[in-house]
Amino acid sequence: DQQVKQNSPSLSVQEGRISILNCDYTNSMFDYFLWYKKYPAEGPTFLISISSIKDKNEDGRFTVFLNKSAKHLSLHIVPSQPGDSAVYFCAASENGSSNTGKLIFGQGTTLQVKP
Amino acid sequence: DVKVTQSSRYLVKRTGEKVFLECVQDMDHENMFWYRQDPGLGLRLIYFSYDVKMKEKGDIPEGYSVSREKKERFSLILESASTNQTSMYLCASSISTGWYSYEQYFGPGTRLTVT
Repeated sequence: DQQVKQNSPSLSVQEGRISILNCDYTNSMFDYFLWYKKYPAEGPTFLISISSIKDKNEDGRFTVFLNKSAKHLSLHIVPSQPGDSAVYFCAASENGSSNTGKLIFGQGTTLQVKP
Repeated sequence: DVKVTQSSRYLVKRTGEKVFLECVQDMDHENMFWYRQDPGLGLRLIYFSYDVKMKEKGDIPEGYSVSREKKERFSLILESASTNQTSMYLCASSISTGWYSYEQYFGPGTRLTVT
């Protein structure tokens, strides 16, 4: 049972345009969400996160939006650059007394930014 | 900066061999994790540990075991390697507050090929 889903395996955008990566989740108890970026032959690196008490978090060119009612989050990259070409993973977790630090990851979306 | 290192970047083993993958983190993190990454399947959790000598099964523990004798070191063991264990193996660590999740920091990964 995939609790975190990235339904688009790949996305291609032109340099300078906006990239929008989407992620859906099924567990309404999730309250902390993260995005990671992964280049080939490297480990994932943390990009940006958002708590369920917010609906938007911004860090430079990267903005994450959270729609709790739809159980949907998205990552916007503006403007997109060729160096943003990578696999992007969304992840979710549930805070609380039973927290173990586990993150549930989606399948990933490969972003290609064309010059 | 958090540093997570993995013993090998590339490894080639034969079917039936016992394989050890080692991970070391230098930030005194309580939590450590082992994932495998396969195309289209995202990051799948094999095992994790929230303290020395403590371990918990993840989503796909079959065919694997782990060891955590020291806080900074978390080992993944393939008792008898099989070709379906050919994959990218990623180690990660994170702090633990017992309530909140935090971002995990990943090592560079080990590309294991079993022939």
